[in-house]
Amino acid sequence: EIVMTQSPATLSVSPGERATLSCRASQSVSSNLAWYQQKPGQAPRLLIYGASTRATGIPARFSGSGSGTEFTLTISSLQSEDFAVYYCQQYNNWPKTFGQGTKVEIK
Amino acid sequence: EVQLVETGGGLIQPGGSLRLSCAASGFTVSSNYMSWVRQAPGKGLEWVSVIYSGGSTYYADSVKGRFTISRDNSKNTLYLQMNSLRAEDTAVYYCASEVGERWFDPWGQGTLVTVSS
Repeated sequence: EIVMTQSPATLSVSPGERATLSCRASQSVSSNLAWYQQKPGQAPRLLIYGASTRATGIPARFSGSGSGTEFTLTISSLQSEDFAVYYCQQYNNWPKTFGQGTKVEIK
Repeated sequence: EVQLVETGGGLIQPGGSLRLSCAASGFTVSSNYMSWVRQAPGKGLEWVSVIYSGGSTYYADSVKGRFTISRDNSKNTLYLQMNSLRAEDTAVYYCASEVGERWFDPWGQGTLVTVSS
């Protein structure tokens, strides 16, 4: 199965600053990658699919890029509600697999 | 509004069985690919099982032969029958719609299963 590796494990960022999260696949997944946001005690919420398409209702400060094995989620100016854990997920190969998550915390 | 509500979690002894339910509203379970995804305490997400609109079912190797996914179209509800439970099955179990065999959206709020003696 494809292993998804996210870095860093924890990212400390001040409100208003830019956050850049990375996700690497053990083999190419083309652009078949999604990003989710999860807040404590809540279910994951879809942010990005197709590596770069924002889901319905997701603010423009969230952007995704990359293809093949290297992907990036960028939050252009962190708001208080953006502090959460972010997961990437590949759907190019069966089974679908997730990264271990990056926690974005307040600096 | 689409809503998925899981129930059925709880504390169960190793080797025991439990059935989870996921009731849908504003959404037709039988017309969609529906999955179960779990999250062990403090850990990441793991896909568990899927049932396609045509009825085909698939499982992660970690649960194959022990878990069974099904649905009741008349109740618009998804199920996960879990047998021979192990400590490592302890997790929050989410039901989610699998969009076109690709990403997961929406998700239910989850139900906690704790396997412990």
